[in-house]
Amino acid sequence: DVKVTQSSRYLVKRTGEKVFLECVQDMDHENMFWYRQDPGLGLRLIYFSYDVKMKEKGDIPEGYSVSREKKERFSLILESASTNQTSMYLCASSLMTGLGGYTFGSGTRLTVV
Amino acid sequence: AQSVSQHNHHVILSEAASLELGCNYSYGGTVNLFWYVQYPGQHLQLLLKYFSGDPLVKGIKGFEAEFIKSKFSFNLRKPSVQWSDTAEYFCAVTASGTYKYIFGTGTRLKVLA
Repeated sequence: DVKVTQSSRYLVKRTGEKVFLECVQDMDHENMFWYRQDPGLGLRLIYFSYDVKMKEKGDIPEGYSVSREKKERFSLILESASTNQTSMYLCASSLMTGLGGYTFGSGTRLTVV
Repeated sequence: AQSVSQHNHHVILSEAASLELGCNYSYGGTVNLFWYVQYPGQHLQLLLKYFSGDPLVKGIKGFEAEFIKSKFSFNLRKPSVQWSDTAEYFCAVTASGTYKYIFGTGTRLKVLA
């Protein structure tokens, strides 16, 4: 079964910490995405990548950066975690064309205290 | 800019009731449309998708959706819901040929046994 795996299901971090969220897919998908999911706001795109070392800002990139050194791995970095970054973070991947839809990971629930 | 509206934020139904969840989008060109479902504690899963052809699309678990181009709508329907349909449902749209989705804010469905 094809999968998108997010390394942590739950994380608790302190304000000001640098936080790394990891995502790995085994489907050889070109595109990878990071979303945050908040009640009443749906899914908001933080960053996406359409190729190794390529990235583009989504709708809410402030306070985040990403890294894609290998095709299968896409990391989200919170440079200095803040309480307003407490959220559910979802990673997804897709084929270059987007046909077939996205495959999502199970999510990482991050709490910043 | 593209946008997706899901007007029903919370829906409560009894088992065997019929379901219709609204989804409207704003984009003047050709679009691809999706419905995703997130069961409690689980990852987002693709329910159905529309790219072209028959505007009535059938998905998994008895769900269907109808694309009405003149109304910019892609409403999700199910004739008879079950308790196991309790979940959050997200509509998504992308311009044809692109892979960046725009998600709606979601509709939480609760089905009472």
